Amino acid sequence: DQQVKQNSPSLSVQEGRISILNCDYTNSMFDYFLWYKKYPAEGPTFLISISSIKDKNEDGRFTVFLNKSAKHLSLHIVPSQPGDSAVYFCAAREGYGGSQGNLIFGKGTKLSVKP
Amino acid sequence: EADIYQTPRYLVIGTGKKITLECSQTMGHDKMYWYQQDPGMELHLIHYSYGVNSTEKGDLSSESTVSRIRTEHFPLTLESARPSHTSQYLCASSDTGTVTSSDTQYFGPGTRLTVL
Repeated sequence: DQQVKQNSPSLSVQEGRISILNCDYTNSMFDYFLWYKKYPAEGPTFLISISSIKDKNEDGRFTVFLNKSAKHLSLHIVPSQPGDSAVYFCAAREGYGGSQGNLIFGKGTKLSVKP
Repeated sequence: EADIYQTPRYLVIGTGKKITLECSQTMGHDKMYWYQQDPGMELHLIHYSYGVNSTEKGDLSSESTVSRIRTEHFPLTLESARPSHTSQYLCASSDTGTVTSSDTQYFGPGTRLTVL
């Protein structure tokens, strides 16, 4: 049973517009959420994270929003650029220390930004 | 910037061969991980380590084995490769997280393994 779900396998947006990638989770014990970006044939690259005690974290063009009551988070990319075209993975951590520090990943959403 | 390396990047090998995938990091991280990932699927954790001489199995059962003799090195070995082992193998490392910091994992470039 998937604890981290990315229900949209793909998303296509126009350059300059906003990209919104969504992630739902089922485990209320998750205390940190992370977003990674992955190009084909490369390893994932860390983008941004958010603690469960916050509802928003911003880093340049990337903003992550967390809605704990809905068990939902989203990554906003504004403005979207063709170089943002990649697969985006949502990940969650259940506590820290030992195996609890391990991350659980969603299946990813493939973002295509068209010029 | 993370410094974590994997070799080889691509490997095509015949059934029954023994292979070792190398992973090294220069960040002094305590924790290291191996994931298996297929297109359109999540990253599946197959092995992890808390530090030297520590190895644990992950959520996905794997016929591979790992060792952690040095902090910076975490190789993965398949004694007898089979076509079902064809996949991308990703190595990662992280500091041990705390209540105020996430266990941000930094990934290597991956090894694309094809077993014929």
